[in-house]
Amino acid sequence: QQQVKQSPQSLIVQKGGISIINCAYENTAFDYFPWYQQFPGKGPALLIAIRPDVSEKKEGRFTISFNKSAKQFSLHIMDSQPGDSATYFCAASMALTGNQFYFGTGTSLTVIP
Amino acid sequence: GAVVSQHPSRVICKSGTSVKIECRSLDFQATTMFWYRQFPKQSLMLMATSNEGSKATYEQGVEKDKFLINHASLTLSTLTVTSAHPEDSSFYICSARVAAPTSVGGYTFGSGTRLTVV
Repeated sequence: QQQVKQSPQSLIVQKGGISIINCAYENTAFDYFPWYQQFPGKGPALLIAIRPDVSEKKEGRFTISFNKSAKQFSLHIMDSQPGDSATYFCAASMALTGNQFYFGTGTSLTVIP
Repeated sequence: GAVVSQHPSRVICKSGTSVKIECRSLDFQATTMFWYRQFPKQSLMLMATSNEGSKATYEQGVEKDKFLINHASLTLSTLTVTSAHPEDSSFYICSARVAAPTSVGGYTFGSGTRLTVV
């Protein structure tokens, strides 16, 4: 059973555009929602993360929007660049209990010049 | 920041042999290590969770006798794929929970190991 559902599976955006990736979850006990960026042949790298007590977090060009009532969260990449082309995974965890991460299925982002 | 060094990055082995993958926490103590497996263009699937000094907890469907995990110290965890077969070919990634989290979430990932069994 997929604990975290992610869409779209792939995304093509023009340079300078906004990339939006969405995730939804069911378990209301999750209290930590990170986004990871993964380049081919490399491990995932933490991009940005949010806890459910805030509705939005912004770091540079990356923003997480969090809707607790809808159990959804999304990643927005502003001014998308070719170097942002990678696979993005959302995840959820009960971090305070040291539990595992539940990953979304991933979104392959391609930013075309 | 917290860094996990994973080796080797790539390994090719013959069917029937064993392969050991190491993950070392370089500047922190990793009390908990997670081992993931990732097939091409798919998500990360948790294989097992290990805590230093105790037996690993394996996820359903993961053969504990085939995927041996050792977490003997706070800075080293190993995954040994025993009697490897071509279907074990995959990308294996470790992740460590920082003992005293200083960043959001307190988790960091290794760079992954591409295992090819021929």
